Amino acid sequence: DAGVIQSPRHEVTEMGQEVTLRCKPISGHNSLFWYRQTMMRGLELLIYFNNNVPIDDSGMPEDRFSAKMPNASFSTLKIQPSEPRDSAVYFCASSPKGSSYEQYFGPGTRLTVT
Amino acid sequence: AQSVTQLGSHVSVSEGALVLLRCNYSSSVPPYLFWYVQYPNQGLQLLLKYTSAATLVKGINGFEAEFKKSETSFHLTKPSAHMSDAAEYFCAVSGSYSGGGADGLTFGKGTHLIIQP
Repeated sequence: DAGVIQSPRHEVTEMGQEVTLRCKPISGHNSLFWYRQTMMRGLELLIYFNNNVPIDDSGMPEDRFSAKMPNASFSTLKIQPSEPRDSAVYFCASSPKGSSYEQYFGPGTRLTVT
Repeated sequence: AQSVTQLGSHVSVSEGALVLLRCNYSSSVPPYLFWYVQYPNQGLQLLLKYTSAATLVKGINGFEAEFKKSETSFHLTKPSAHMSDAAEYFCAVSGSYSGGGADGLTFGKGTHLIIQP
C-alpha cells in the first residue's frame, strides 16, 4: 500500500496568494482528516470527512480556509488569501471503515508564507 | 470534550534504561487512546492503540502502554531504550461521532525523548 499521499511536500508562497494542498487517502479508507502542526499550538484538527461528507469543520481557523472531498480518493485544503501566520506543517490522515479509529498519516506539507 | 496532558515536554534516559512517557486524558465518552511517534521532518506513525479490549496494549518497536481508567492514564513504556527511539511522542484521544465513524484526534503537546549514550 502506498500510504497517504500529500502534495506538494513543500510550498513557499507570498502573503495574499492562494495555496492548495492535496491529499490522496489510503484506498478503502472512508474517513479523512486534515491537521495542522505548529510549535506554538501543536497538532490541531482542522476538519474531517466521513464518506466524503464534512462532519466537523470547527477547527478551521478562518473563512480563508476551505476543504473539499469530491470523491473517496482525493481531498484539497485551500487557503485564500494566505498569511504568514498560516505557516505550518499540514497533515492529512485517513482511517478505515469499521476500525478502532486509528488514523494513518501522510508525510505532511510544509507551508511557508512570506 | 476531550483533552490530553503529557507530563514532561522533554524526557532524557540512558541507552538501555526504562522509558516512561506519561499521558493523562479527559473524555466524556469511553475513549480510544493512541500513541504516535514522529521522527524529524516526517509524519506520525502509530505505535499502539487502546480500544476497550485488553488494558495492557503492546505496540511496535517494543513499546507498550497500560490503560488505567481509575487514574485516567495511558502511560507509554519500553523496558530498554535504544538510540533509534529518539523522537517526538504524542498521546491522542478519540471518540466516535454519532454517525458511527471515526472522530478527530485530540493530541497532547508531545514529549521529546532523548537517549543518552
